Amino acid sequence: TQLLEQSPQFLSIQEGENLTVYCNSSSVFSSLQWYRQEPGEGPVLLVTVVTGGEVKKLKRLTFQFGDARKDSSLHITAAQPGDTGLYLCAGDSTDKLIFGTGTRLQVFP
Amino acid sequence: DAMVIQNPRYQVTQFGKPVTLSCSQTLNHNVMYWYQQKSSQAPKLLFHYYDKDFNNEADTPDNFQSRRPNTSFCFLDIRSPGLGDAAMYLCATSSPGLAGVGQFFGPGTRLTVL
Repeated sequence: TQLLEQSPQFLSIQEGENLTVYCNSSSVFSSLQWYRQEPGEGPVLLVTVVTGGEVKKLKRLTFQFGDARKDSSLHITAAQPGDTGLYLCAGDSTDKLIFGTGTRLQVFP
Repeated sequence: DAMVIQNPRYQVTQFGKPVTLSCSQTLNHNVMYWYQQKSSQAPKLLFHYYDKDFNNEADTPDNFQSRRPNTSFCFLDIRSPGLGDAAMYLCATSSPGLAGVGQFFGPGTRLTVL
């Protein structure tokens, strides 16, 4: 069974702080995606990483795919209240996604 | 704009009373998914359609059924809702030809069971 564990599960920080969310698995994935979900809405894709060791930047968000394609991290610099939400990593597995356990981020002004 | 639409956004039903949730898409994607999401948890895949081919997850209860009459529409039927079925139900689409684009999610239907 393919599992993706995220840590931390919950994170409450002040505006301006930096944070890192981790997504780990014992399985290899062909690609890994990160989604953000706001309350009452569906998840929205932030990024897809495909190559081992790949780093992608999206404004203040930096995504990294592990060399072995089993893990990933999301780093947010200078967090803002608008970053609040549920962050989900998801691994590609033959027409479906294996979702991580989720990290709920709360950024206070 | 191309999108995934779910109706209704909020649905209240009684214990044991059948309910149908609907999803439509204007993206013309081959694959449509139904997920169940409980509070602060990750979405749990119930089943998906690849075109007309139905793929059920092994742990999806028989109480949950689905229909896809055409490319654009997909329905989730809950035959006898229990209190434990109260959740957000998410519909999503994807296209195998668009690798790396990910899944497109609808806004969800929040189901309450009284």
